[in-house]
Amino acid sequence: TQLLEQSPQFLSIQEGENLTVYCNSSSVFSSLQWYRQEPGEGPVLLVTVVTGGEVKKLKRLTFQFGDARKDSSLHITAAQPGDTGLYLCAGAGDKIIFGKGTRLHILP
Amino acid sequence: NAGVTQTPKFQVLKTGQSMTLQCAQDMNHNSMYWYRQDPGMGLRLIYYSASEGTTDKGEVPNGYNVSRLNKREFSLRLESAAPSQTSVYFCASRRGVDSPLHFGNGTRLTVT
Repeated sequence: TQLLEQSPQFLSIQEGENLTVYCNSSSVFSSLQWYRQEPGEGPVLLVTVVTGGEVKKLKRLTFQFGDARKDSSLHITAAQPGDTGLYLCAGAGDKIIFGKGTRLHILP
Repeated sequence: NAGVTQTPKFQVLKTGQSMTLQCAQDMNHNSMYWYRQDPGMGLRLIYYSASEGTTDKGEVPNGYNVSRLNKREFSLRLESAAPSQTSVYFCASRRGVDSPLHFGNGTRLTVT
C-alpha cells in the first residue's frame, strides 16, 4: 500500500513569516501533485512535479520533488492571510493517493 | 462550463437506508473517482473508473458500490448506510494518468 505522510498536520503562523510543508513516502511516484482546498469546495490543483530534483515556482510558493521521486516539499515565502487553507499532496498513477493534508492558518 | 457536478449537496439518512450519489462531468475525461473526506484523514479513495466500462476498488471500498453509466457519469451507491459512512464525498475526473484531478463541490452525508 502506498502511503503519503504530510507534516506538519497543522500550522498557524503570523503574516510575513516563511513556512515549509513536507510530503514523504516510501514509494516512488511517476509524478506528485499539490492541491489546495477551501472550506465547502473540492481541492484545486496547484502544481504537478514530474522529474526528480525538479523545482517549480508559483509566485511565493516553491515546490520541490526529491531526487528519488519519493518526497516533496512546499515552501511559502512571506505568508499572507489568503494562503490559509488545507494543502494536500497526492501521488499520481492509476490511482491518485492523497496525504492527510496540512491545515495552514495565517494570522494577520 | 460546469466541470464536475455532484448531487445532492446534502443528505441525511437513517441507518440501513440506501441512496445513490450522482456525479457527472462535461470535460470528456476518461477517468473518474470517488473519495471520502473525514476530519484528520485527508481524502481516501473509495472506487475509481480508469475508463468507460471498468471499475476498481480503492483504499476503502467496503459498504459501497459504483456504476460507470457512460463516459460522463459515475455513481456511488450505499446499499445499507451505517453511521461510519458519515462523511463528505467528492467525485473527481481526469483526462489521463499524469493529468490533474478536477473535483466537484462534494456531498455532505450524515447517517444517524
